[in-house]
Amino acid sequence: AQKITQTQPGMFVQEKEAVTLDCTYDTSDQSYGLFWYKQPSSGEMIFLIYQGSYDEQNATEGRYSLNFQKARKSANLVISASQLGDSAMYFCAMREGDWYSSASKIIFGSGTRLSIRP
Amino acid sequence: GAVVSQHPSWVICKSGTSVKIECRSLDFQATTMFWYRQFPKQSLMLMATSNEGSKATYEQGVEKDKFLINHASLTLSTLTVTSAHPEDSSFYICSASSLGLRQETQYFGPGTRLLVL
Repeated sequence: AQKITQTQPGMFVQEKEAVTLDCTYDTSDQSYGLFWYKQPSSGEMIFLIYQGSYDEQNATEGRYSLNFQKARKSANLVISASQLGDSAMYFCAMREGDWYSSASKIIFGSGTRLSIRP
Repeated sequence: GAVVSQHPSWVICKSGTSVKIECRSLDFQATTMFWYRQFPKQSLMLMATSNEGSKATYEQGVEKDKFLINHASLTLSTLTVTSAHPEDSSFYICSASSLGLRQETQYFGPGTRLLVL
């Protein structure tokens, strides 16, 4: 069963507008972590933001915020004031299991291609 | 901090040859390294997890005899694609994690593009 679902294969947004990228997840674990990564055309994976399952506050990192709705199992990424450089693939990901284990796996969603229009 | 490098960044080889890809953690000791494969316009698929000094754990459907992983030290892991074929052409990305860092995340290398002719 797919554990990370990103339903938007592609999005177009006008520069300076805010954009929300959707992500839903499925897990039976109580302890898990949710991530968003950005992948530009160069291919590198850039870590954007992290939300732990026990974190009560929504995570924020600069222009990025994660709208974490635990009951709905959703972890949407919000980018405020979008810039041309935000054009890239965005992946939602989840890590399950042992919080203190560096060996726990991260699984990725199918991604959303975001294109910013000038 | 937490920089991961990969070498080579690009490789083109003939069908039937073997290719080795290196993944290094430059400024930290990686307790665990991960290898992913990404086909065009697709997501990252985990191939295997390796801990220093022990055998790698492969994901279901990944041939361990074809994709040899060696994690000989806390800063180096290698992936060898043996007897490569055109269907092995892909983008291979490694990542590393460490108990001494933000242990909730992994740090990714820049990736290696493999083209098998």
